[in-house]
Amino acid sequence: QSVLTQPPSVSGAPGQRVTISCTGSSSNIGAGYDVHWYQQLPGTAPKLLIYGNNNRPAGVPDRFSGSKSGTSASLAITGLQAEDEADYYCQSYGSRLSGYVFGTGTKVTVL
Amino acid sequence: QVHLVQSGAEVKKPGASVKVSCKVSGYTLTELSRHWVRQAPGKGLEWMGGFDPEHGETIYAQKFQGRVSLTEDTFTDTFYLELTSLRSEDTAVYYCATGGDFQEFDYWGQGALVTVSS
Repeated sequence: QSVLTQPPSVSGAPGQRVTISCTGSSSNIGAGYDVHWYQQLPGTAPKLLIYGNNNRPAGVPDRFSGSKSGTSASLAITGLQAEDEADYYCQSYGSRLSGYVFGTGTKVTVL
Repeated sequence: QVHLVQSGAEVKKPGASVKVSCKVSGYTLTELSRHWVRQAPGKGLEWMGGFDPEHGETIYAQKFQGRVSLTEDTFTDTFYLELTSLRSEDTAVYYCATGGDFQEFDYWGQGALVTVSS
């Protein structure tokens, strides 16, 4: 089961800003491990969107940004576009015992 | 640029085993940290196992301990996931992925659907 908690869904109109929270614990995010974010379009493999809390891989628009504080992290999407409609997952590391952990996932809907 | 190509869909009966492959191109296998993630229909992502650079060893998610085996063939730059004692709950898309410097999954295969049904 997922160790990181995300809201099931968020929505916004085109051009608006939406944020997705990712809540962990002192065993993962709070232990200092980085948080990463993935975008998954319907029927496709996940794609790395943000790594190392707030870094964008080449080709990812700067409309996407990440932040981390304490035991939580957030993904912000500014200037929301129809093509941003997808599922988003956070991910971190949770020690040798629990390994790598994912968030529960958030569906973003563009109204 | 790393490119990962996985084997095709499989249908298995309960109790059987399945072996999914992931061929690497663009890099040699030994240069990469290899992982497996699965996604049941309509559900979220679940990490199964892979190389942990923090401890220098392959580790597995506790729920798969004893049922999962990760292997590789350096001659063909291919790595494998084998899952035994399959049950219906193992029906999922299985993804291979590579680990980046920050313990993220930077490259992904296209996924392989494994269906477990009698």
